[in-house]
Amino acid sequence: KNEVEQSPQNLTAQEGEFITINCSYSVGISALHWLQQHPGGGIVSLFMLSSGKKKHGRLIATINIQEKHSSLHITASHPRDSAVYICAVRMNNNAGNMLTFGGGTRLMVKP
Amino acid sequence: EAGVTQFPSHSVIEKGQTVTLRCDPISGHDNLYWYRRVMGKEIKFLLHFVKESKQDESGMPNNRFLAERTGGTYSTLKVQPAELEDSGVYFCASSSWLGETQYFGPGTRLLVL
Repeated sequence: KNEVEQSPQNLTAQEGEFITINCSYSVGISALHWLQQHPGGGIVSLFMLSSGKKKHGRLIATINIQEKHSSLHITASHPRDSAVYICAVRMNNNAGNMLTFGGGTRLMVKP
Repeated sequence: EAGVTQFPSHSVIEKGQTVTLRCDPISGHDNLYWYRRVMGKEIKFLLHFVKESKQDESGMPNNRFLAERTGGTYSTLKVQPAELEDSGVYFCASSSWLGETQYFGPGTRLLVL
């Protein structure tokens, strides 16, 4: 079982819908990252958070350290949001800062 | 400021051949990471350089993989000899200090036939 689990694996939404992608992890962490990868594109870091909530434009990321859970929300979704969203964590016992990744959530937003 | 670059973007080789992937981190970034995604699996850590030194190579799958970062600037990852299961996307990332956001390159798509 992977230490980082994402749900759903695939998500299709209509333009304008509110979207939530979930990430659960089973280890103590020092930080959690949300990453985005467009088809054929590279990986872009959206957020790095260790507590609370962060917002950037239509994207909101929250984390609950006690419950070992994070969510990525997209408000007023748009077809250009279609991408793979990846959750990755930096574990507490990791002196080297390497990331452990979830399997990704493939999002398609239809016009 | 230029981002992380990787070369080549794609490589198709036959089993048994050698391939060398290159990563140029963001200028001034001491930390350089190699990751790999094999088809259908999550991205996995391979190794971490701090400047020219290997900080952690616990993710390297076997001794067919050799990573170097001479001079602490760009890094190469050589696979020799390549096997079918080495096919995947190899990502490089860099950060200026531990704990900072890692900036990813576009990846090299390797296909071993």
